[in-house]
Amino acid sequence: DIQMTQSPSSVSASVGDRVTITCRASQDISSWLAWYQQKPGKAPRLLIYAASTLQSGIPSRFSGSGSGADFTLTISSLQPEDSATYYCQQANTFPSTFGPGTKVHIK
Amino acid sequence: VQLVESGGGLVKPGGSLRLSCAVSGFTFSDYYMSWIRQAPGKGLEWVSYISGGGDVMYNADSVKGRFTISRDNAKNSLYLQMNGLRAEDTAVYYCARGYPFLILWGQGTLVSVSS
Repeated sequence: DIQMTQSPSSVSASVGDRVTITCRASQDISSWLAWYQQKPGKAPRLLIYAASTLQSGIPSRFSGSGSGADFTLTISSLQPEDSATYYCQQANTFPSTFGPGTKVHIK
Repeated sequence: VQLVESGGGLVKPGGSLRLSCAVSGFTFSDYYMSWIRQAPGKGLEWVSYISGGGDVMYNADSVKGRFTISRDNAKNSLYLQMNGLRAEDTAVYYCARGYPFLILWGQGTLVSVSS
């Protein structure tokens, strides 16, 4: 199975800050990557798929980039409602696998 | 658009449960569907998926031979039959539309396996 890693495991930032989360795959997955946001007690929500395509209804402050094995999720101006755990998911090879998550806290 | 899971609960090791996911708001038979689980305080693990027509299905190795995914397109419903349950199967189980990208998710149903 393809292993996914994320860094950092947690980040604390202020409202308005730019936040960047990195995801790395154990092998080339082209652009077959998605990002999800999960708030406590809630189901995950798809933010970005195909590495950089914003899902409908997601605010434009979220963006994704990368290809191959290295990917980035950027929140351009952190908002209070962005406090959550963010997961990457590789969709290139069966079985699809998720990263361990990055917790984003608001200072 | 709505996905609503049901059927979770407390079961003893070796026992069985059948989860259901009732879908509304889209043409169910047009879409692959998936089950994903999340152990308490842990990350996400994809469990199983099934094609729109129900002819293609795959399970994760961790549940192979024990769990069976199925669907009834006439009833707009997705199912997960879970046999031989183990303590490590304890998790919130989510149904989701799509594979591999999981576009829409249900609210989840908790399965607890304990003696």
